[in-house]
Amino acid sequence: DIQMTQSPSSLSASVGDRVTITCRASQSINRYLNWYQQKPGKAPKLLIYAASSLQSGVPSRFSGSGSGTDFALTISSLQPEDFATYYCQDSYITPWTFGQGTTVEVK
Amino acid sequence: QVQLEESGPGLVKPSETLSLTCTVSGGSFSPHYWSWIRQSPGKGLEYIGYVSHSGSSDYNPSLRSRVTISIDTAKNQFSLRLSSVTAADTAAYYCARVIWLGEVIYYYVLDVWGQGTTVIVSS
Repeated sequence: DIQMTQSPSSLSASVGDRVTITCRASQSINRYLNWYQQKPGKAPKLLIYAASSLQSGVPSRFSGSGSGTDFALTISSLQPEDFATYYCQDSYITPWTFGQGTTVEVK
Repeated sequence: QVQLEESGPGLVKPSETLSLTCTVSGGSFSPHYWSWIRQSPGKGLEYIGYVSHSGSSDYNPSLRSRVTISIDTAKNQFSLRLSSVTAADTAAYYCARVIWLGEVIYYYVLDVWGQGTTVIVSS
């Protein structure tokens, strides 16, 4: 199975901050990388697919980058509704695997 | 607007079979895949498997010997059965739709999720 490793596991930030979360795959997955946002008690929500394509309806302050094994999710200006946990997911080959998550907390 | 809703027992005894159903409303089964994902504090988000609209399936090798995912298009439902459960199977279980996005290369995504249902394995 492909292993997905996110960093950091948590971070503290303020509204308006620029936030970057990284995800590393244990082998090359080209651009088969998705990002999800999850809030407590809710299901994950798709934000980014194909490493950098914004899902319909997702604010443009979210962006993704990378290919191969190294990827990043950036929030350009953190909003109050963005405090949540973020997961990367490989869709290169099943079993699809998820990173362990990065929690963005209020500073 | 496609919506998914999980249903099934919230408590299952060890060694028994966990059975969950996902009801799909507001959309067609074809040509999508339909997936089960679970989430536990210990293992995070874990892909269980998917079933296609035609009934073919894919399972996580770590669960393959115990899992069956089936589809009933007439009832707009797909189901998960996980046999011989232990405490390690305690988790929130989500059903989700799998679609493929892209123009030249297609990428699988889990674009619509149910709200999730918690299953506890305990005697």
